[in-house]
Amino acid sequence: KQEVTQIPAALSVPEGENLVLNCSFTDSAIYNLQWFRQDPGKGLTSLLLIQSSQREQTSGRLNASLDKSSGRSTLYIAASQPGDSATYLCAVGTDSWGKLQFGAGTQVVVTP
Amino acid sequence: DAGITQSPRYKITETGRQVTLMCHQTWSHSYMFWYRQDLGHGLRLIYYSAAADITDKGEVPDGYVVSRSKTENFPLTLESATRSQTSVYFCASSESWGSSYEQYFGPGTRLTVT
Repeated sequence: KQEVTQIPAALSVPEGENLVLNCSFTDSAIYNLQWFRQDPGKGLTSLLLIQSSQREQTSGRLNASLDKSSGRSTLYIAASQPGDSATYLCAVGTDSWGKLQFGAGTQVVVTP
Repeated sequence: DAGITQSPRYKITETGRQVTLMCHQTWSHSYMFWYRQDLGHGLRLIYYSAAADITDKGEVPDGYVVSRSKTENFPLTLESATRSQTSVYFCASSESWGSSYEQYFGPGTRLTVT
């Protein structure tokens, strides 16, 4: 069974610092990997999707990389802002039907 | 553009009662999913559907029933609610199958079973 791990569970950084969030998975046979943001009491907002054939994906200040061979993805958030404070979840697509296996998330606090 | 909505947003019910959580999407997405989110377990897939009248079990389907008579609706029914089903339930949808399609999530329903 695919297992997805996110370390650390929590992270606090001062405003302006770059954020680096890690996601690891045990089975390299993935269809895609999706990064989400979740604010307290809210649903999940899709940030980036990386297809299995891609190495990275970028959107504004966000950049996500994927290394299937080592079972890792990294989400970089440049020049963090207090508004980036949230829980970040990675999810691995396990089949063509779109089923996702989620990590437990990294809770991020950006202090002014 | 409403996107994907869930109702009710909050629900308290008693053990043994039947409860139905509703999910509606306005995108005409083919694929729909139900997840539950619990501390210590993260998000886990309950059921999913590839189209109207096509559904299948996910990781934790016991105690739940789904139906999909129309593309835009995907209700989740707890036939006889138990306290272990206290959770936050999220519905999601995806345009199609394959590696290039993102899932979009609803706002969630917080269910408490007393």
